[in-house]
Formats: sequence, structure tokens, C-alpha cells
Amino acid sequence: NAGVMQNPRHLVRRRGQEARLRCSPMKGHSHVYWYRQLPEEGLKFMVYLQKENIIDESGMPKERFSAEFPKEGPSILRIQQVVRGDSAAYFCASSPDTSDTQYFGPGTRLTVL
Amino acid sequence: AQTVTQSQPEMSVQEAETVTLSCTYDTSESNYYLFWYKQPPSRQMILVIRQEAYKQQNATENRFSVNFQKAAKSFSLKISDSQLGDTAMYFCALLQGAQKLVFGQGTRLTINP
Repeated sequence: NAGVMQNPRHLVRRRGQEARLRCSPMKGHSHVYWYRQLPEEGLKFMVYLQKENIIDESGMPKERFSAEFPKEGPSILRIQQVVRGDSAAYFCASSPDTSDTQYFGPGTRLTVL
Repeated sequence: AQTVTQSQPEMSVQEAETVTLSCTYDTSESNYYLFWYKQPPSRQMILVIRQEAYKQQNATENRFSVNFQKAAKSFSLKISDSQLGDTAMYFCALLQGAQKLVFGQGTRLTINP
């Protein structure tokens, strides 16, 4: 059973460009969570999705950020018009149920030049 | 609001020693889950141990055990017979609203040979 997959592992963007981060949950997991980790800090919740639904986006910035988890394919975290402050590690996690352990992917390190 | 506090930014012990990492939390929920995650230099988030608040018995996983004091809202991690591979950042986390994890700031643990 493959773990949570994220790609790309490293992403470099210039200011103003778009960043697309992909996450494939573990097999059998229908709950996906995105977290952001700034340098030397803990992870901060961004958004929680189930297939085709955003359940909780309370941690997501109101502008430039969006997330989706379509019926087919991976979950996508999209950041439009990136700024230097978006540089961080973005982790995806999945679980089979809401009260279950969340298993994390390897993360995507985004660097904005 | 739920909060998680790790008061030890860094710790260092000799190989084979026992070390305890502290974590306190605050929540108004009666049922919740607590976790310790490990983040080695590879930056992967790895589950170490999980505790369900309604269970009085402390969770144990091989060399890792917790001291869960529900009334004091304390959840410490004990690592016995520490190994060089235990060197990592350790994050305490609270599962909030059965949906999102709230993380502490982390403790950087170094195991010295």
C-alpha cells in the first residue's frame, strides 16, 4: 500500500507565477488535508477536503489560494501570483475517516524567487 | 481555541539514555486525540504514537511511550534507549474537531554518540 504521494518535491517559481501542488492520498483514504510549514515552525492547517467537497478552509488565505479534490485524480493546491512569503513546505495528509490518524506525504518545498 | 505548547525548543542526550519531551495543550472538547510526530532531516512527517483521550491507559510503541495526564492537559513523550536515528524535530499535535491537527512549535532532539 503506497503512502501519500506529493509532487513535485521541489518547486521554484518567480514572483507573480502560479504554483500547483499535487497530492495523491493513500489507497482507501477519502479525506485529504493540506498544511503549511514555515522555516523553524510547526505545521499550520490550511484546508480539509473530501472528494469534490471542501469541508473546512478556515486556515487558507482568502486570496490567491485555492484547493480541490476532484472525483478522479489527485488533490490540487493552487497558489496564484506567488509572493516571497509563500515560500514554505506544503504537506498533504490523508486519513480513512475524520477521527483517524493522518498520514503525511513527503511535502513540496516551494521557493519563490 | 485549541492550543498546543512545547516548552523545550531543543534537547540533547547521549545515545542509550532516556529522554522525555514535554507537551501541554488546551481544548474545550471532551473527546480528542493526541499525537507525536517525528520530522527527521529528510523533513518527512512520521507518526510516532497516538493517544485517544477517552483511554486512560498510556500508549506505547516499542521504545516510545507517553505519559498522558488528562486533568493537567499534559502529554509527554518518553524515548527509552535512545538511538542516533531518533535525532529529529518532534511535534506534539491535537486533533481538533475530528478534522484538523493543531501542532506545537516542536522540540529539536539530538542524540549524541
